[in-house]
Amino acid sequence: EIVLTQSPGTLSLSPGERATLSCRASQSVSSSSLAWYQQKPGQAPRLLIYGASNRATGIPDRFSGSGSGTDFTLTINRLEPEDFAVYSCQRLRTFGQGTKVEIK
Amino acid sequence: EGQLVESGGGLVQPGGSLRLSCAASGFTFSNCAMSWVRQAPGRGLEWVSAISGSGLITYYADSVKGRFTISRDNFNSMLYLQMNSLRAEDAALYYCARGYSGSWYDAFDIWGQGAMVTVSS
Repeated sequence: EIVLTQSPGTLSLSPGERATLSCRASQSVSSSSLAWYQQKPGQAPRLLIYGASNRATGIPDRFSGSGSGTDFTLTINRLEPEDFAVYSCQRLRTFGQGTKVEIK
Repeated sequence: EGQLVESGGGLVQPGGSLRLSCAASGFTFSNCAMSWVRQAPGRGLEWVSAISGSGLITYYADSVKGRFTISRDNFNSMLYLQMNSLRAEDAALYYCARGYSGSWYDAFDIWGQGAMVTVSS
């Protein structure tokens, strides 16, 4: 079973800064099945990125995904107030434990 | 775009049963693989079960195999999760989710708001 490990657990940043979130797989995975989600308190997850680097419908271009093999990254350029949330990566049936992006 | 609305959550005693429902609208339900994903309070997301568009193929997480049954009614655009022999560790918010672009679980692009299941005596 492939395990997804996200780091850091918590990222403290100010609006306008760049956030870089990591998702590491325990073995090499296909990029086509790597997705990222945003989740705010009391809300369902929202698909941000699919296929490691493709933005889902309606997702602002400040969100970008990259990576291959075992290392994947979600980058959020110029953090907006509404971007402070928990971000999770997913590969098929497996989710990472999440990274919380909080206001510094 | 599409919408999913869960219902049927509640409080149940250990060993009890509960049936969750998910009403789909705004897309061709029978063309889509569907999943149930759960989230215990303060925890991450955990995939639970998936079903093909036809309903003929199903998959389960090891943690629920033999206790949970996923099914669907394509005529009425409904997804179900029958949960038997419930345990304390099954307590969570249960989401139904659509597989993105015809996939099983490459990504989930539509999520319901969740149905809360509490298991306690």
